[in-house]
Amino acid sequence: NAGVTQTPKFRILKIGQSMTLQCTQDMNHNYMYWYRQDPGMGLKLIYYSVGAGITDKGEVPNGYNVSRSTTEDFPLRLELAAPSQTSVYFCASRQGTGELFFGEGSRLTVL
Amino acid sequence: QKEVEQNSGPLSVPEGAIASLNCTYSDRGSQSFFWYRQYSGKSPELIMSIYSNGDKEDGRFTAQLNKASQYVSLLIRDSQPSDSATYLCAVNTGNQFYFGTGTSLTVIP
Repeated sequence: NAGVTQTPKFRILKIGQSMTLQCTQDMNHNYMYWYRQDPGMGLKLIYYSVGAGITDKGEVPNGYNVSRSTTEDFPLRLELAAPSQTSVYFCASRQGTGELFFGEGSRLTVL
Repeated sequence: QKEVEQNSGPLSVPEGAIASLNCTYSDRGSQSFFWYRQYSGKSPELIMSIYSNGDKEDGRFTAQLNKASQYVSLLIRDSQPSDSATYLCAVNTGNQFYFGTGTSLTVIP
């Protein structure tokens, strides 16, 4: 039982490039979330999903896109990367009203 | 914009002391409340969850919730150097989770 798995763990992008952060969970959780965490700050919600085929914006969605074609996968797409997107990205999932389970994070640097 | 505010840090306590961490939230409709611990460079891990008013104890940790005051706190008794980390308050409102900016705790041996 792997929990929440994120790839890649580290990535350096050039300004204007695009990439996808992968997230998969094997706990059959309906809810999935993407957060970003800047140094010394808390977690800001980018997008979330309450089930396959359903996604919604969080606090800071600009510059990102998501899809949820299966229960297990919730990829985060960055289009036209900007230095402001340099951050640590966490994917999380939960079931019902329970706690969030986090992946190990993906550290992204945009130069 | 839902807001979760935590008491400003950093917080330093001597080993064996009680550490007190506080959090307020703005949305009265919030349903459940969580404390996460985050070590540097790691992902958050759950310490406590609390859903109803009052106290909830788990080992050295006690979470307190007062929905009327929109306030949740975490007490850490007999603090250990291994408790040194950033503590994040999280509030569940509807389908969303909102986090505070965290309080950095250092336990001095």
